Amino acid sequence: DSGVTQTPKHLITATGQRVTLRCSPRSGDLSVYWYQQSLDQGLQFLIQYYNGEERAKGNILERFSAQQFPDLHSELNLSSLELGDSALYFCASSVVAGGPNEQYFGPGTRLTVT
Amino acid sequence: KNEVEQSPQNLTAQKGEFITINCSYSVGISALHWLQQHPGGGIVSLFMLSSGKKKHGRLIATINIQEKHSSLHITASHPRDSAVYICAVRVLTGNQFYFGTGTSLTVIP
Repeated sequence: DSGVTQTPKHLITATGQRVTLRCSPRSGDLSVYWYQQSLDQGLQFLIQYYNGEERAKGNILERFSAQQFPDLHSELNLSSLELGDSALYFCASSVVAGGPNEQYFGPGTRLTVT
Repeated sequence: KNEVEQSPQNLTAQKGEFITINCSYSVGISALHWLQQHPGGGIVSLFMLSSGKKKHGRLIATINIQEKHSSLHITASHPRDSAVYICAVRVLTGNQFYFGTGTSLTVIP
């Protein structure tokens, strides 16, 4: 158990809908990262927050947005869902913002768009 | 263009064999991570390297910054090592992460 929690574990929704994925980092970790893992694209970095501020941005679509709240939990919002958004979404956390630092991964949320 | 290349893609070994997985990258990095993903889907970070070598039990990871290359070694492999091993780098400029496509390892009893 990494100490990172993600909810829900599974989510099935229809095209065009909007969903919110939630992540709670390990106690004491200030940084949260979001990743997408699909069958055809593999793992991709979406976005990182550190202590409430956006720190780094990867291949995140405009239909997707994220934020980190004062209690350090983070939410990833996916809107106007398409079939291709079906994937495993992982959240990870670390103590510091950048450079070489250990990340701890949550169990993931499996999103299926039908 | 793939910023991170891993080899081999698939690997089958007998229990007890010494295993090496390679990772080459083409960008300047601040850190390289080796991740393990089991069939259930969960990801565990095995190592985070910025230089040199690290050892944890039967696992050893090395990195050569000048050659932009890292290796993950598993000594005395065991069926429970069967998993996908993924190399990831954190880019020096912009703090992006890039991932390799993974090496699927099967260790036969």
